[in-house]
Amino acid sequence: KNEVEQSPQNLTAQEGEFITINCSYSVGISALHWLQQHPGGGIVSLFMLSSGKKKHGRLIATINIQEKHSSLHITASHPRDSAVYICAVKREDTGNQFYFGTGTSLTVIP
Amino acid sequence: EPEVTQTPSHQVTQMGQEVILRCVPISNHLYFYWYRQILGQKVEFLVSFYNNEISEKSEIFDDQFSVERPDGSNFTLKIRSTKLEDSAMYFCASIGGAYEQYFGPGTRLTVT
Repeated sequence: KNEVEQSPQNLTAQEGEFITINCSYSVGISALHWLQQHPGGGIVSLFMLSSGKKKHGRLIATINIQEKHSSLHITASHPRDSAVYICAVKREDTGNQFYFGTGTSLTVIP
Repeated sequence: EPEVTQTPSHQVTQMGQEVILRCVPISNHLYFYWYRQILGQKVEFLVSFYNNEISEKSEIFDDQFSVERPDGSNFTLKIRSTKLEDSAMYFCASIGGAYEQYFGPGTRLTVT
């Protein structure tokens, strides 16, 4: 059983396009984390959300708690944005562990 | 910006051998996690560690695994008798305010 589902699994975009990656979850959560995993394997935290919207540079993350859904948007995409984007949730009923989605692999073509 | 470090970056070991993976978390953090990621699969939680003891562990974290903070800075994950299926990337994460996670670069463990 996968508590966290991401879509699409793979995404190819032209440089400059607006990108949306979706994350749906089936449990009550206290926090949602968007992460970026580089081709070499390293993982970088992008956003931690519990409500509303956050923006950092060209990245925007939103969450709708009632609909159990979050989106990560990338504006003016660039080839350096190519990476796997991972959604992870902290359940509100099972302590402090995070449950991860399988990731969305993004390739931005120049 | 403070960072989490992990050593070694790559460890090759034979089945049945013990391995120790090391992490140096961010110095003023008190909460640490270990995760693993089998090649091509999602990241999985192994264990969380708070105030020098295990806070929570997953089903994966069986008797073959242990964690320690031997000297107040290093944070180690030990696998007592490695199996082929332990081959994976192992990530340490150091937890800041609001459960924001700072990941180390990972250790790639290959069991032959």
